[in-house]
Amino acid sequence: DGGITQSPKYLFRKEGQNVTLSCEQNLNHDAMYWYRQDPGQGLRLIYYSQIVNDFQKGDIAEGYSVSREKKESFPLTVTSAQKNPTAFYLCASRPRGTDTQYFGPGTRLTVL
Amino acid sequence: GQQLNQSPQSMFIQEGEDVSMNCTSSSIFNTWLWYKQDPGEGPVLLIALYKAGELTSNGRLTAQFGTTRKDSFLNISASIPSDVGIYFCAGLRTGNQFYFGTGTSLTVIP
Repeated sequence: DGGITQSPKYLFRKEGQNVTLSCEQNLNHDAMYWYRQDPGQGLRLIYYSQIVNDFQKGDIAEGYSVSREKKESFPLTVTSAQKNPTAFYLCASRPRGTDTQYFGPGTRLTVL
Repeated sequence: GQQLNQSPQSMFIQEGEDVSMNCTSSSIFNTWLWYKQDPGEGPVLLIALYKAGELTSNGRLTAQFGTTRKDSFLNISASIPSDVGIYFCAGLRTGNQFYFGTGTSLTVIP
Protein backbone atom coordinates (compact mmCIF):
# COMPACT_ATOMS: atom_id res chain seq x y z
CA ASP A 1 0.00 0.00 0.00
CA GLY A 2 1.61 3.28 -1.07
CA GLY A 3 1.51 6.39 1.02
CA ILE A 4 3.01 8.66 3.62
CA THR A 5 3.12 7.45 7.20
CA GLN A 6 3.77 9.47 10.31
CA SER A 7 4.26 8.00 13.70
CA PRO A 8 3.20 8.17 16.36
CA LYS A 9 -0.23 9.79 15.98
CA TYR A 10 -0.03 11.34 19.45
CA LEU A 11 3.13 12.18 21.34
CA PHE A 12 3.60 13.57 24.81
CA ARG A 13 6.87 14.91 26.13
CA LYS A 14 8.09 16.82 29.11
CA GLU A 15 9.40 20.31 28.64
CA GLY A 16 13.13 20.35 27.97
CA GLN A 17 13.24 17.00 26.17
CA ASN A 18 14.06 16.56 22.52
CA VAL A 19 11.62 14.47 20.51
CA THR A 20 11.81 12.99 17.01
CA LEU A 21 8.81 12.66 14.72
CA SER A 22 8.91 10.04 12.02
CA CYS A 23 7.88 10.48 8.37
CA GLU A 24 8.20 7.70 5.82
CA GLN A 25 6.98 7.50 2.23
CA ASN A 26 7.06 4.67 -0.30
CA LEU A 27 5.83 6.77 -3.21
CA ASN A 28 9.31 7.35 -4.62
CA HIS A 29 8.80 11.09 -4.23
CA ASP A 30 11.93 13.20 -4.29
CA ALA A 31 10.91 16.19 -2.19
CA MET A 32 9.66 16.02 1.37
CA TYR A 33 8.39 18.75 3.69
CA TRP A 34 7.58 19.38 7.34
CA TYR A 35 4.86 21.80 8.37
CA ARG A 36 3.47 22.97 11.65
CA GLN A 37 -0.25 23.65 12.03
CA ASP A 38 -1.71 25.79 14.81
CA PRO A 39 -5.39 26.67 15.26
CA GLY A 40 -6.53 29.52 13.04
CA GLN A 41 -3.31 29.66 11.08
CA GLY A 42 -2.23 28.34 7.74
CA LEU A 43 0.44 25.69 7.51
CA ARG A 44 3.91 27.01 8.19
CA LEU A 45 6.98 25.46 6.62
CA ILE A 46 9.66 24.18 8.98
CA TYR A 47 12.10 22.40 6.65
CA TYR A 48 12.08 20.83 3.23
CA SER A 49 14.35 18.50 1.33
CA GLN A 50 14.60 18.06 -2.41
CA ILE A 51 17.08 15.20 -2.43
CA VAL A 52 18.91 12.88 -0.08
CA ASN A 53 21.48 14.56 2.16
CA ASP A 54 20.19 18.03 1.33
CA PHE A 55 17.60 20.17 3.12
CA GLN A 56 16.65 23.80 3.47
CA LYS A 57 15.17 25.85 6.28
CA GLY A 58 11.63 27.06 5.98
CA ASP A 59 9.99 30.03 7.66
CA ILE A 60 10.07 28.67 11.23
CA ALA A 61 13.13 26.40 11.42
CA GLU A 62 14.42 27.68 14.76
CA GLY A 63 14.31 24.97 17.40
CA TYR A 64 13.92 22.16 14.86
CA SER A 65 16.34 19.90 13.03
CA VAL A 66 15.99 17.32 10.25
CA SER A 67 17.98 14.70 8.38
CA ARG A 68 17.51 13.05 4.99
CA GLU A 69 19.74 9.99 4.88
CA LYS A 70 17.30 7.96 2.80
CA LYS A 71 14.87 9.01 0.09
CA GLU A 72 11.97 7.41 1.95
CA SER A 73 12.57 9.02 5.33
CA PHE A 74 12.60 12.59 6.63
CA PRO A 75 12.53 12.67 10.45
CA LEU A 76 11.98 15.89 12.35
CA THR A 77 13.51 16.56 15.75
CA VAL A 78 11.84 19.11 17.97
CA THR A 79 14.54 20.35 20.31
CA SER A 80 14.27 21.93 23.72
CA ALA A 81 15.15 25.25 22.05
CA GLN A 82 11.72 25.39 20.41
CA LYS A 83 9.77 27.79 22.60
CA ASN A 84 6.25 26.61 21.86
CA PRO A 85 6.44 23.06 20.50
CA THR A 86 2.86 21.90 21.18
CA ALA A 87 1.23 21.68 17.74
CA PHE A 88 0.04 19.39 14.97
CA TYR A 89 2.93 18.43 12.68
CA LEU A 90 2.37 17.42 9.08
CA CYS A 91 4.79 15.77 6.70
CA ALA A 92 4.29 16.02 2.95
CA SER A 93 5.95 14.83 -0.21
CA ARG A 94 6.02 16.01 -3.78
CA PRO A 95 6.43 13.85 -6.88
CA ARG A 96 9.29 14.80 -9.16
CA GLY A 97 8.32 17.17 -11.95
CA THR A 98 4.93 18.02 -10.48
CA ASP A 99 3.46 20.96 -8.62
CA THR A 100 1.35 18.89 -6.27
CA GLN A 101 1.95 17.92 -2.68
CA TYR A 102 0.53 15.07 -0.63
CA PHE A 103 0.27 14.93 3.14
CA GLY A 104 0.68 12.30 5.80
CA PRO A 105 -1.85 11.83 8.61
CA GLY A 106 0.00 14.09 11.06
CA THR A 107 1.42 13.82 14.57
CA ARG A 108 -0.01 15.79 17.45
CA LEU A 109 2.77 16.72 19.84
CA THR A 110 1.93 17.91 23.32
CA VAL A 111 4.69 19.18 25.57
CA LEU A 112 3.76 19.16 29.23
CA GLY B 1 6.30 33.66 5.21
CA GLN B 2 3.35 34.67 3.11
CA GLN B 3 -0.08 33.30 3.89
CA LEU B 4 -2.96 33.46 1.49
CA ASN B 5 -6.21 35.26 2.33
CA GLN B 6 -9.05 32.80 2.41
CA SER B 7 -12.72 33.60 2.89
CA PRO B 8 -15.08 33.05 4.42
CA GLN B 9 -13.45 31.86 7.61
CA SER B 10 -16.44 29.66 8.41
CA MET B 11 -19.74 28.66 6.85
CA PHE B 12 -22.87 27.08 8.23
CA ILE B 13 -25.17 25.77 5.52
CA GLN B 14 -28.15 23.51 5.08
CA GLU B 15 -27.68 20.15 3.42
CA GLY B 16 -28.30 20.49 -0.31
CA GLU B 17 -27.07 24.07 -0.58
CA ASP B 18 -24.17 25.13 -2.76
CA VAL B 19 -20.97 26.51 -1.23
CA SER B 20 -18.46 29.01 -2.55
CA MET B 21 -15.13 30.00 -1.07
CA ASN B 22 -12.10 31.83 -2.38
CA CYS B 23 -8.45 32.44 -1.86
CA THR B 24 -6.59 35.63 -2.76
CA SER B 25 -3.03 36.82 -2.78
CA SER B 26 -1.07 39.95 -3.57
CA SER B 27 1.35 37.79 -5.57
CA ILE B 28 0.97 35.80 -8.74
CA PHE B 29 0.92 32.02 -8.44
CA ASN B 30 1.55 29.40 -11.11
CA THR B 31 -0.31 26.60 -9.36
CA TRP B 32 -3.31 26.53 -7.06
CA LEU B 33 -4.25 23.52 -4.95
CA TRP B 34 -7.35 22.87 -2.86
CA TYR B 35 -7.34 20.51 0.12
CA LYS B 36 -9.88 19.20 2.62
CA GLN B 37 -8.86 18.38 6.15
CA ASP B 38 -10.89 16.44 8.70
CA PRO B 39 -10.20 17.07 12.41
CA GLY B 40 -6.98 15.44 13.53
CA GLU B 41 -6.15 14.16 10.06
CA GLY B 42 -3.83 15.17 7.26
CA PRO B 43 -5.14 17.27 4.37
CA VAL B 44 -6.37 15.46 1.28
CA LEU B 45 -5.76 16.96 -2.15
CA LEU B 46 -9.05 17.71 -3.93
CA ILE B 47 -8.15 19.67 -7.04
CA ALA B 48 -5.00 21.02 -8.68
CA LEU B 49 -5.03 23.99 -11.10
CA TYR B 50 -2.11 24.87 -13.35
CA LYS B 51 -3.27 27.52 -15.80
CA ALA B 52 -4.92 30.93 -15.52
CA GLY B 53 -8.63 30.64 -16.21
CA GLU B 54 -8.61 26.87 -15.81
CA LEU B 55 -11.81 25.33 -14.49
CA THR B 56 -11.54 21.81 -13.06
CA SER B 57 -14.14 19.55 -11.51
CA ASN B 58 -13.94 16.61 -9.15
CA GLY B 59 -17.42 15.24 -8.61
CA ARG B 60 -19.49 17.93 -6.93
CA LEU B 61 -16.43 20.14 -6.49
CA THR B 62 -15.38 22.73 -9.04
CA ALA B 63 -12.36 24.99 -8.74
CA GLN B 64 -11.12 27.84 -10.88
CA PHE B 65 -7.72 29.43 -11.34
CA GLY B 66 -8.38 33.17 -11.43
CA THR B 67 -7.44 35.05 -14.59
CA THR B 68 -5.24 37.46 -12.67
CA ARG B 69 -3.35 34.45 -11.26
CA LYS B 70 -3.76 36.01 -7.82
CA ASP B 71 -6.87 34.14 -6.79
CA SER B 72 -8.72 30.87 -6.91
CA PHE B 73 -12.25 29.73 -6.14
CA LEU B 74 -13.79 26.49 -4.92
CA ASN B 75 -17.46 25.61 -5.27
CA ILE B 76 -19.26 22.63 -3.78
CA SER B 77 -22.66 21.83 -5.20
CA ALA B 78 -25.52 20.14 -3.34
CA SER B 79 -23.64 19.80 -0.05
CA ILE B 80 -23.95 16.65 2.02
CA PRO B 81 -23.02 15.98 5.67
CA SER B 82 -19.69 14.36 4.78
CA ASP B 83 -18.56 17.65 3.22
CA VAL B 84 -17.96 18.92 6.76
CA GLY B 85 -14.35 19.85 7.36
CA ILE B 86 -11.79 22.54 6.78
CA TYR B 87 -10.98 23.49 3.21
CA PHE B 88 -7.82 25.31 2.42
CA CYS B 89 -5.98 26.55 -0.59
CA ALA B 90 -2.31 26.38 -1.40
CA GLY B 91 -0.32 28.24 -4.02
CA LEU B 92 3.02 27.68 -5.64
CA ARG B 93 4.94 30.38 -7.48
CA THR B 94 8.20 28.95 -8.73
CA GLY B 95 10.57 26.82 -6.72
CA ASN B 96 9.72 24.57 -3.88
CA GLN B 97 7.79 26.50 -1.27
CA PHE B 98 4.02 26.23 -1.10
CA TYR B 99 1.95 28.93 0.61
CA PHE B 100 -1.28 28.15 2.42
CA GLY B 101 -4.55 29.81 3.26
CA THR B 102 -5.91 29.85 6.79
CA GLY B 103 -8.84 27.63 5.87
CA THR B 104 -12.61 27.75 5.59
CA SER B 105 -14.48 25.68 8.16
CA LEU B 106 -17.61 24.17 6.65
CA THR B 107 -20.52 22.90 8.74
CA VAL B 108 -23.43 21.20 6.98
CA ILE B 109 -26.69 21.08 8.87
CA PRO B 110 -28.82 18.03 7.97
